[in-house]
Amino acid sequence: KNEVEQSPQNLTAQEGEFITINCSYSVGISALHWLQQHPGGGIVSLFMLSSGKKKHGRLIATINIQEKHSSLHITASHPRDSAVYICAVDNYGGSQGNLIFGKGTKLSVKP
Amino acid sequence: NAGVTQTPKFQVLKTGQSMTLQCAQDMNHNSMYWYRQDPGMGLRLIYYSASEGTTDKGEVPNGYNVSRLNKREFSLRLESAAPSQTSVYFCASMGVGGRTEAFFGQGTRLTVV
Repeated sequence: KNEVEQSPQNLTAQEGEFITINCSYSVGISALHWLQQHPGGGIVSLFMLSSGKKKHGRLIATINIQEKHSSLHITASHPRDSAVYICAVDNYGGSQGNLIFGKGTKLSVKP
Repeated sequence: NAGVTQTPKFQVLKTGQSMTLQCAQDMNHNSMYWYRQDPGMGLRLIYYSASEGTTDKGEVPNGYNVSRLNKREFSLRLESAAPSQTSVYFCASMGVGGRTEAFFGQGTRLTVV
């Protein structure tokens, strides 16, 4: 079973478009992480949140604990935003360690 | 620079060879992790260490061993590499209690032929 589901799996956008990536989870969590991975690159943390909303530049992350759902928004998208975006939940230190990962959303932004 | 340092970045092994992947963090984090990333599978936990001196199996531990040498360092060893261990490996660390952000190493791309 997939405890963390992301949608869409793949997303192609034109430069300047507003982008939304969704994450739903089925376990109790203490926090949710959004991560970014560029092709052939390492993994970078974008946000960690346990309630409400956070904003860094053009990126906005929201979470609804009651609905077990989070969204990552990118405003005014740019080709450099092309990457895989990964949602991960912190499952109170469950049997798999702390983080359970979604399979990622591959975003391609065309100029 | 603060962060997680992981070596090597690339490695090719022959079946049956052994190797150790090294990981060190300088953020005084208690928890450290080893993951593998395969196409279509996402990140899967191999082993983790919640604190110095402790290690626990994750989802896919077979064929691997780990050592938490001290608070900073957490190594992953492949005793007898198999083609099924061809993957990209990531080390990560997180703080305790308030659940800090996760910090990842740059990854090791391992090919076993």
